[in-house]
Amino acid sequence: TQLLEQSPQFLSIQEGENLTVYCNSSSVFSSLQWYRQEPGEGPVLLVTVVTGGEVKKLKRLTFQFGDARKDSSLHITAAQPGDTGLYLCAGARGSARQLTFGSGTQLTVLP
Amino acid sequence: DAGITQSPRHKVTETGTPVTLRCHQTENHRYMYWYRQDPGHGLRLIHYSYGVKDTDKGEVSDGYSVSRSKTEDFLLTLESATSSQTSVYFCAISESRLRSSYEQYFGPGTRLTVT
Repeated sequence: TQLLEQSPQFLSIQEGENLTVYCNSSSVFSSLQWYRQEPGEGPVLLVTVVTGGEVKKLKRLTFQFGDARKDSSLHITAAQPGDTGLYLCAGARGSARQLTFGSGTQLTVLP
Repeated sequence: DAGITQSPRHKVTETGTPVTLRCHQTENHRYMYWYRQDPGHGLRLIHYSYGVKDTDKGEVSDGYSVSRSKTEDFLLTLESATSSQTSVYFCAISESRLRSSYEQYFGPGTRLTVT
């Protein structure tokens, strides 16, 4: 059973389009992180959200943490081919030092 | 970029042989982790360490052991490799002194094939 469900699993869009990726759980997380991974490389941290309702922006990427800290979304405006990659959300619970990862969303942005 | 290296980067081995993967960090981070990544499963935690000689199991620890004799090195051993352990293995590190201490920084990965 996947504790963190990501949707969609695959997404292929044209350059310039907007998109949203979702990360949902029935569990409450103390923080949630988004990573991007390119082929043959390790995941790279994009952002950490900690407070319920928190919104963070990173250029054309907007991250939101749900009010109840059970879900999160990643919105990309005017996607570019350089945004192509595997997007992973990861949640931390309580005082544990472990992260639980979602299964990822593979995004392809076509020129 | 965090100073994390993994060796080897690629390995092919036969079923039943022991295999050791190495993770080396230059950041002096307290926490180190081993994950495996398989299609449809995202990243799954195998073992982690919260200090020298302090380790604990993750969700998929069966068939794996770890050791950490120095802050900078975290070794993952497959005692007797099986085909189900064919995967990409990632090491990660985390800094405990910061409030957002759950942030993890990943190495480049080791692709292991067990034939």
